[in-house]
Amino acid sequence: DAGVIQSPRHEVTEMGQEVTLRCKPISGHNSLFWYRQTMMRGLELLIYFNNNVPIDDSGMPEDRFSAKMPNASFSTLKIQPSEPRDSAVYFCASSDADRAWGYTFGSGTRLTVV
Amino acid sequence: SQQGEEDPQALSIQEGENATMNCSYKTSINNLQWYRQNSGRGLVHLILIRSNEREKHSGRLRVTLDTSKKSSSLLITASRAADTASYFCATDAQSGNTPLVFGKGTRLSVIA
Repeated sequence: DAGVIQSPRHEVTEMGQEVTLRCKPISGHNSLFWYRQTMMRGLELLIYFNNNVPIDDSGMPEDRFSAKMPNASFSTLKIQPSEPRDSAVYFCASSDADRAWGYTFGSGTRLTVV
Repeated sequence: SQQGEEDPQALSIQEGENATMNCSYKTSINNLQWYRQNSGRGLVHLILIRSNEREKHSGRLRVTLDTSKKSSSLLITASRAADTASYFCATDAQSGNTPLVFGKGTRLSVIA
């Protein structure tokens, strides 16, 4: 398996634009997590899915953020409209039900909103 | 919050020395995990220790867990320049199938 695949790796956009981040989890993993990492706040959980169903989105900072998982092999995180304070590295991670091997993280998307 | 907190925030050592990082947490856990993050990359799972274990080894890594003190330590022996990275602890709550909560990490620099 190629691991968790995120795209794009880097995204620079202007304030007010819509941004869509993509994630392909490891085949067979049934949980998917979106995290955001900044120097000030560290690694924050935004939302997670079990079996494609959103379980807890209390970490989503505002209604401008939304996430979907239409099938077991794909998830998106959308920010509309984007703001400079959304600039961060966004990570997607997946795990199997047992979680005995922890989470597998993607390489992240570095988002810069100017 | 059961967020793990690593200590120290930053650590600089010479190659060949041992590096020790500590993690404290607040609530009961099923297990505690350590991850490494190289600059510009995602986190990589290193080792998991269950709440009924006290010590675990993996190569040059040694992890201890003291549930009475709600603390864990990660020891990297005979460090190498390639060990330069940030190290995070993450706790898996005892109650329910909740996601891991990560600390802010220890930034380790190993100087050749």
